[in-house]
Amino acid sequence: KQEVTQIPAALSVPEGENLVLNCSFTDSAIYNLQWFRQDPGKGLTSLLLIQSSQREQTSGRLNASLDKSSGRSTLYIAASQPGDSATYLCAVRPGSARQLTFGSGTQLTVLP
Amino acid sequence: DTGVSQDPRHKITKRGQNVTFRCDPISEHNRLYWYRQTLGQGPEFLTYFQNEAQLEKSRLLSDRFSAERPKGSFSTLEIQRTEQGDSAMYLCASSLGGYGANVLTFGAGSRLTVL
Repeated sequence: KQEVTQIPAALSVPEGENLVLNCSFTDSAIYNLQWFRQDPGKGLTSLLLIQSSQREQTSGRLNASLDKSSGRSTLYIAASQPGDSATYLCAVRPGSARQLTFGSGTQLTVLP
Repeated sequence: DTGVSQDPRHKITKRGQNVTFRCDPISEHNRLYWYRQTLGQGPEFLTYFQNEAQLEKSRLLSDRFSAERPKGSFSTLEIQRTEQGDSAMYLCASSLGGYGANVLTFGAGSRLTVL
């Protein structure tokens, strides 16, 4: 059974810092990995999707990497802003199924 | 198209009552998913439709839960005889099929509180 772990559960940084969020998964046979953002009481917004054959994806200040063999992904946020404060979730899609398996998320607070 | 719509956004009910949630996916998306999220946890998969066919169901989906997607458009999730443990956010998502796709677009969710 695929398990996804995100560490730390919460992170607080001053505005302007670069930061890295971590995601690990137990079964490397994945189809893709997706990073989401969730604001309090709201649904999820997709940030980046990395196919299993890719090593990284970039969008603006965000860069996500994938190392399938070690079962790890990172989300790098450059020059953090207070508006980046949210919970960040990673999710993997197993190769044999349609559904995503999510981690519990990292709650990020960027202090002005 | 304004994205994935869910209704109602909030529902408070008494234990034992039935509730129904509706999801309207992005019109051209043929895949629709239901997830459940409890406080401090990531979403957990409940069920998946491709067009009108329900192709996968999680073991979390007890006999009290039923989902439909008539005509492959909107979907409903009904919970019968609600229990306090059903209190959660119910999230709907949709996506296009096909290789290389599968970016899920989520709705804002329907929050259920069972008293």
